[in-house]
Amino acid sequence: EDQVTQSPEALRLQEGESSSLNCSYTVSGLRGLFWYRQDPGKGPEFLFTLYSAGEEKEKERLKATLTKKESFLHITAPKPEDSATYLCAVQAGDSGGYQKVTFGTGTKLQVIP
Amino acid sequence: NAGVTQTPKFQVLKTGQSMTLQCAQDMNHNSMYWYRQDPGMGLRLIYYSASEGTTDKGEVPNGYNVSRLNKREFSLRLESAAPSQTSVYFCASRIQGPEQYFGPGTRLTVT
Repeated sequence: EDQVTQSPEALRLQEGESSSLNCSYTVSGLRGLFWYRQDPGKGPEFLFTLYSAGEEKEKERLKATLTKKESFLHITAPKPEDSATYLCAVQAGDSGGYQKVTFGTGTKLQVIP
Repeated sequence: NAGVTQTPKFQVLKTGQSMTLQCAQDMNHNSMYWYRQDPGMGLRLIYYSASEGTTDKGEVPNGYNVSRLNKREFSLRLESAAPSQTSVYFCASRIQGPEQYFGPGTRLTVT
């Protein structure tokens, strides 16, 4: 069974204080690892897809990296508007298409001015 | 483009009542999904529709039924609501790659 574990559950940062969120996974053949951002009262918003170990993706202050066992979402010099819950999800290689994705429970990030 | 829309936004039901959650997308996406999100559980797939005319069970289908009415619309029905179905329900759609577009959610309470 595919499993996704995110840590920490919650993270409080001062504005400008860089940090990383962790997503460890167990799947039978990774097809893709995804990061989403979810604001309170809204649906998740897609951020990145990573396909293989060593791959990196960047968007503004966010950088996602992937190893064979985990992914990190690095946040550089965060701003209050980066406050949200960040979700990690994986797609196993034996599932057809991208129909079944396993989500983690998320890391709730709060950036204080 | 409205993206993915869901109605209603909030709903309170009594145990045993039925209701249908509506979802529509205007992005011409082939695949559509229904998830539920509970504290400490993450998003869990209830049902999905890979294309118009097809539906398949996800991880937690018991107590739910779905209808892919056409390419745009995918509804979720609770025939006899139970307190365990209190949750936030999200509809999502996808065209081909991995990126899913989510609606704003329906917050359902069953008393």
